[in-house]
Amino acid sequence: EDKVVQSPLSLVVHEGDTVTLNCSYEVTNFRSLLWYKQEKKAPTFLFMLTSSGIEKKSGRLSSILDKKELFSILNITATQTGDSAIYLCAVLNTNAGKSTFGDGTTLTVKP
Amino acid sequence: GAVVSQHPSRVICKSGTSVKIECRSLDFQATTMFWYRQFPKQSLMLMATSNEGSKATYEQGVEKDKFLINHASLTLSTLTVTSAHPEDSSFYICSAYHRDPSTDTQYFGPGTRLTVL
Repeated sequence: EDKVVQSPLSLVVHEGDTVTLNCSYEVTNFRSLLWYKQEKKAPTFLFMLTSSGIEKKSGRLSSILDKKELFSILNITATQTGDSAIYLCAVLNTNAGKSTFGDGTTLTVKP
Repeated sequence: GAVVSQHPSRVICKSGTSVKIECRSLDFQATTMFWYRQFPKQSLMLMATSNEGSKATYEQGVEKDKFLINHASLTLSTLTVTSAHPEDSSFYICSAYHRDPSTDTQYFGPGTRLTVL
């Protein structure tokens, strides 16, 4: 059975801090790893990672994948209160796009 | 990014009625759509995989006669919650799989909040 584990489950930081969110996985037929941000409604796409060691970057967010050790990290630098959300990690397998989601990390950024 | 719409965004109904939720991919063709359910403070639970022109594949524990899925076209999938009961109250989210060399990812609809009285 495919499995995705995120840690920590929740995190409280102050504005300006840097955070690292973790995602480890055990899946058959790995295709890609996806990061999403979920606020009040449905998740919004952040990154798709398919290759090891290549950092994806978008503003203050960055992510990298290690396919040998089967994990990914999502970094957020200089956090802002608007970064408060649930961050979901999902692994896509080759079965026509089916994803397995982790339980998410709830990030709270205090002013 | 690709756009997926979901309708209605919120529905309140009486116990025993059926509710239909539509999911549309607005700017791409989605051969596969997924339906999820999310309880408060929990992650997404996959209910079923909907493939255009064929029967949906349901996850273990999801009643296919209760949650009817139809994927009639490459841009539309519907989920019908039949004879809804209060325990069916939840946040239902669809996603459309965009298999493109540059993205190859799922795009989510905005979700439907179902409340069954």
